[in-house]
Amino acid sequence: GNSVTQMEGPVTLSEEAFLTINCTYTATGYPSLFWYVQYPGEGLQLLLKATKADDKGSNKGFEATYRKETTSFHLEKGSVQVSDSAVYFCADNVKAAGNKLTFGGGTRVLVKP
Amino acid sequence: SQTIHQWPATLVQPVGSPLSLECTVEGTSNPNLYWYRQAAGRGLQLLFYSVGIGQISSEVPQNLSASRPQDRQFILSSKKLLLSDSGFYLCAWSSNGGGQETQYFGPGTRLLVL
Repeated sequence: GNSVTQMEGPVTLSEEAFLTINCTYTATGYPSLFWYVQYPGEGLQLLLKATKADDKGSNKGFEATYRKETTSFHLEKGSVQVSDSAVYFCADNVKAAGNKLTFGGGTRVLVKP
Repeated sequence: SQTIHQWPATLVQPVGSPLSLECTVEGTSNPNLYWYRQAAGRGLQLLFYSVGIGQISSEVPQNLSASRPQDRQFILSSKKLLLSDSGFYLCAWSSNGGGQETQYFGPGTRLLVL
């Protein structure tokens, strides 16, 4: 079945460091790809998405590019802030009944001042 | 704009007691609705989804059930809670366009079963 794999955390960084969180998927065809962020004690917020190959999603300084050839959707930010400390989830969505998402296990990011 | 509400925000229940968590969506009609559980330090597990009133699909066998009595209301229930039911429960909605629609999440309910 379909699965999404992302790097395990926690990832600890200093402010202004470069952040990369790797994400790969196994779904065939052309899934939509998403990154969600979960701040402490809160629900999930959509961070960015991409719906076709070579699309780049971006928001709040974060970027991810849909790479069909490597089945990847790695999340990057050039200069993190303490407020970026959160858990980040990669997910894909294959067109099917119920529009179901498959999530990765989440990556906890801690940014220290 | 669309909003999604969940309540209660936090709940502490004894083992064997019943459960009812409610989720409502505003600003859209005929949405797809979802219940997820997030165990401590873990990822998200899809429990149920619904594409319409009275239509519920269960993803995993468990001690929980779901109902959709109204178009924008989704309820998660249990007759007798287990310790293993503790977790963070998230409701989500998406539009029902038949494609790969984005899901939007509520604030969650944190359930502790003692």
